Amino acid sequence: DSGVTQTPKHLITATGQRVTLRCSPRSGDLSVYWYQQSLDQGLQFLIQYYNGEERAKGNILERFSAQQFPDLHSELNLSSLELGDSALYFCASSGYGPGQDHYNEQFFGPGTRLTVL
Amino acid sequence: AQSVTQLGSHVSVSEGALVLLRCNYSSSVPPYLFWYVQYPNQGLQLLLKYTSAATLVKGINGFEAEFKKSETSFHLTKPSAHMSDAAEYFCAVILSGAGSYQLTFGKGTKLSVIP
Repeated sequence: DSGVTQTPKHLITATGQRVTLRCSPRSGDLSVYWYQQSLDQGLQFLIQYYNGEERAKGNILERFSAQQFPDLHSELNLSSLELGDSALYFCASSGYGPGQDHYNEQFFGPGTRLTVL
Repeated sequence: AQSVTQLGSHVSVSEGALVLLRCNYSSSVPPYLFWYVQYPNQGLQLLLKYTSAATLVKGINGFEAEFKKSETSFHLTKPSAHMSDAAEYFCAVILSGAGSYQLTFGKGTKLSVIP
């Protein structure tokens, strides 16, 4: 158990819909990363938050957005869903922060499997 | 830009045989390199990491990897495969810049272990 929790575990929805994926980082970790794993694209970085602020963006579509709340949990919002959005979405957390070891291990959650029908 | 290439999307070995999973990186600066393992229906678990200290890195479950700058490689090895090693393995590099340290992953290599 990595200490990172993600809900829900599975999500089945229809095209055009909007869903929210939730991630709770390990206790004390300020940094949260979101990754998408699909058969076509492999594992791709989407976005990172550090202590409530967006820190970096990767291959994240404009239809997707995220935020990190004061209690450090994060949500990834996916809207106007398309068939191609079906994937496994991972959240990872690390203790990265100013003054800390910048290659702190990222601990991954079990993922949310999204199926768009 | 930094990236990693994993040679072989699927590798099969016999139980007890040597495991060798290949990873080459491209980087203009010394990289931080990682190997992660993903068991079916599970998240990613860190096997080992290279962070510019010792070039031979030992990880969990008997795995190790050697950083070879001249070959831009970071191959993962295990002397004797076990059935429980069957999983997908990902090589990754830190793509650093502007205070972010997100991982850039290879395409993955699925390891099958034949009894």
